[in-house]
Amino acid sequence: DQQVKQNSPSLSVQEGRISILNCDYTNSMFDYFLWYKKYPAEGPTFLISISSIKDKNEDGRFTVFLNKSAKHLSLHIVPSQPGDSAVYFCAASHVIRGGADGLTFGKGTHLIIQP
Amino acid sequence: DARVTQTPRHKVTEMGQEVTMRCQPILGHNTVFWYRQTMMQGLELLAYFRNRAPLDDSGMPKDRFSAEMPDATLATLKIQPSEPRDSAVYFCASGARAGGMFFGPGTRLTVL
Repeated sequence: DQQVKQNSPSLSVQEGRISILNCDYTNSMFDYFLWYKKYPAEGPTFLISISSIKDKNEDGRFTVFLNKSAKHLSLHIVPSQPGDSAVYFCAASHVIRGGADGLTFGKGTHLIIQP
Repeated sequence: DARVTQTPRHKVTEMGQEVTMRCQPILGHNTVFWYRQTMMQGLELLAYFRNRAPLDDSGMPKDRFSAEMPDATLATLKIQPSEPRDSAVYFCASGARAGGMFFGPGTRLTVL
């Protein structure tokens, strides 16, 4: 049973517009959420994260929103650029003090930025 | 520029053969993860180690898979015997604090 769900396998957005990627989770123990970006033939790279004590975190063109009551988070990219075309993975964990913990990933959303 | 390295990058083998994948984590990271990516399941956690001790390998088929950390600079994932359904990209990742996980480039395994 998927504890982290990305229901859109792909998303196409015009360059310059806003891209919104969605993610839902079912495990209420998750308290730390991340987005990773993956290009073909490369490993996923960390993009942005948010702790459950916050509802928004912003880093340049990227903003992550967390709605704990709905168990939903979203990644906004504005404005979208051609280099943003990649697969985006949503991930969640239950943070344990003292070290990194295994992340549970969604299946990913392939974002395509159209010129 | 510290990064996780994995070898080999690509491996094609025949069913029944042993496959060993290697990972060098980032120096100073105390946690090492093995993930597998498939089209159907996305990224699945197979196993992870903290300070070289196995913490969780519940995601790994135990009859054919084994993961070890002989020392702090080397993690291995072995499949014996390999099967076609093991074909996937296997990622190693290392981390030193909660949420801070860095992935290697992956090993693309094809079992014929």
